[in-house]
Amino acid sequence: AQSVTQLDSHVSVSEGTPVLLRCNYSSSYSPSLFWYVQHPNKGLQLLLKYTSAATLVKGINGFEAEFKKSETSFHLTKPSAHMSDAAEYFCVVGASGGSYIPTFGRGTSLIVHP
Amino acid sequence: KAGVTQTPRYLIKTRGQQVTLSCSPISGHRSVSWYQQTPGQGLQFLFEYFSETQRNKGNFPGRFSGRQFSNSRSEMNVSTLELGDSALYLCASSLQPGQGNTGELFFGEGSRLTVL
Repeated sequence: AQSVTQLDSHVSVSEGTPVLLRCNYSSSYSPSLFWYVQHPNKGLQLLLKYTSAATLVKGINGFEAEFKKSETSFHLTKPSAHMSDAAEYFCVVGASGGSYIPTFGRGTSLIVHP
Repeated sequence: KAGVTQTPRYLIKTRGQQVTLSCSPISGHRSVSWYQQTPGQGLQFLFEYFSETQRNKGNFPGRFSGRQFSNSRSEMNVSTLELGDSALYLCASSLQPGQGNTGELFFGEGSRLTVL
């Protein structure tokens, strides 16, 4: 069984300040972990993924995430927020390879103030 | 390379009607999965198809069904629509499991269904 918890439903930051979106997971398997972003009325776009290689994963648009097995966390960060980062972010857990049903977090809405 | 294409993008139906949504995956992707997204329940897995076979199914009533064709295109159908079926329905495609597939999903922009 697997689950994912996004610890904040909303995060509000000012443009130019750091972003931290928190995600904790549980999985019976060695997990694959993903962060996706969804802009209004759009599908989900992959930001980055962890698949048991480097624990610090760099993604698109300056985002990165660190896999911490001891803390079962996969938090998403960005040094400096941009207005265009305002969107919904989803942390997703999937098993490595094979057929699987991905588990989505409930999402974190990132609000960026000018 | 063309992305995942979903049609129609928007549709309005009334209770009791049925609806069919279509999804064309990325060329070469043989796995297609469907998700329902609502403000209350978030993103929920509906089903997944590979090589015209449903391999996984989420916890939805039998009114929700789907199929996949030999060209990997997929359709989902919802019969006897209820108000609660109003949602954004997302389709995603991915590579064949195994063969280096890390489970990354490629999503379409969704079909927004409104049931009146």
